[in-house]
Amino acid sequence: RKEVEQDPGPFNVPEGATVAFNCTYSNSASQSFFWYRQDCRKEPKLLMSVYSSGNEDGRFTAQLNRASQYISLLIRDSKLSDSATYLCVVNGGGGSARQLTFGSGTQLTVLP
Amino acid sequence: NAGVTQTPKFQVLKTGQSMTLQCAQDMNHEYMSWYRQDPGMGLRLIHYSVGAGITDQGEVPNGYNVSRSTTEDFPLRLLSAAPSQTSVYFCASSYAGLNSGNTIYFGEGSWLTVV
Repeated sequence: RKEVEQDPGPFNVPEGATVAFNCTYSNSASQSFFWYRQDCRKEPKLLMSVYSSGNEDGRFTAQLNRASQYISLLIRDSKLSDSATYLCVVNGGGGSARQLTFGSGTQLTVLP
Repeated sequence: NAGVTQTPKFQVLKTGQSMTLQCAQDMNHEYMSWYRQDPGMGLRLIHYSVGAGITDQGEVPNGYNVSRSTTEDFPLRLLSAAPSQTSVYFCASSYAGLNSGNTIYFGEGSWLTVV
């Protein structure tokens, strides 16, 4: 079993749609969770951290379920500019940057 | 603000050749790392460093060397290139302790093809 698993997609949704991605992780000691966005042929960039209580940043909402060991990302009112690959990133227990594990990404295409 | 700068952006090597990917950051980050990204596999950690003079192996270190003589620079050396090293390479930096308040910054990537 992969340490961090994501549905690779692709997710093709119309503009204005709501789309949700899930990610599961295997290390129950994991402490920090993130969503990164990666555009085609570009570097990953932090989209948002995921807090235990859940957090929202504009149209983006992230949730953490420690009991089931999954995190989610909800995008409301999708824009064409949201088209990208979304990477789930988990910090495996020690709080150190070297213990980050990246999912393989979920590809989103927002269609006009 | 330069952030993380890595060069070259594109490189084609012949099997057996050696080369160095350069990486520099101007944010005074203690932690620097190299990842490779292959289709369907996510980013995998090659080597990392938590400060000048300190390096350690990541998940896939074979065939690569690193050094950290200064806080700013963290070059990655391919000793004898193999086709299996065809990949996209990302250098990254951050503060060493990673919590929800810190983040990793990536360079723009280096596309390497070994023929």
